[in-house]
Amino acid sequence: AQKITQTQPGMFVQEKEAVTLDCTYDTSDPSYGLFWYKQPSSGEMIFLIYQGSYDQQNATEGRYSLNFQKARKSANLVISASQLGDSAMYFCAMREDPYGQNFVFGPGTRLSVLP
Amino acid sequence: DTGVSQNPRHKITKRGQNVTFRCDPISEHNRLYWYRQTLGQGPEFLTYFQNEAQLEKSRLLSDRFSAERPKGSFSTLEIQRTEQGDSAMYLCASSQQGGGETQYFGPGTRLLVL
Repeated sequence: AQKITQTQPGMFVQEKEAVTLDCTYDTSDPSYGLFWYKQPSSGEMIFLIYQGSYDQQNATEGRYSLNFQKARKSANLVISASQLGDSAMYFCAMREDPYGQNFVFGPGTRLSVLP
Repeated sequence: DTGVSQNPRHKITKRGQNVTFRCDPISEHNRLYWYRQTLGQGPEFLTYFQNEAQLEKSRLLSDRFSAERPKGSFSTLEIQRTEQGDSAMYLCASSQQGGGETQYFGPGTRLLVL
């Protein structure tokens, strides 16, 4: 079964607008971490934001925020004030339990920012 | 720059040849990971080291694949008798034990097997 689902293969957003990239996850472990990475065409995976399963507040990092809805098992990424440089693949990933070390990645969403 | 580095960045080889990739993690990170990413997919976990100990291996890591981290610093990933299906991006990441365990990735090695 898919542990990470990203239902939007591609998204378009106008420059300076906000965009939400969806991510749902599946785990029975009470302790887990959720991550978002950006992968530009150059190939490097760039860490954006992290949310722990016990964190009470939604994570924010500059223009990135994570809309964490634990009961719905969703961890959507919100990018505010999109910039042309935001065009890239975006991956949602999960690390299960405090001692599990490998990440499980979703299939990704390709975001295109239009001028 | 003290990020994760990988060499080479690109490798073209003929089927049946052996290839070796190197990863240098962030210096204070004791955990190191290898992932494989094929076109249009997210990265898939291959193996993980804590210091010099290889603690976890995916079933994706066939017996043609071997990884080492002899002194707990850099790591090598070797693929023997390469096959066309091995063509992919090989990503290395590192993290520091404790905290959120955020993994920081290198630029990857893109392998093409002809």
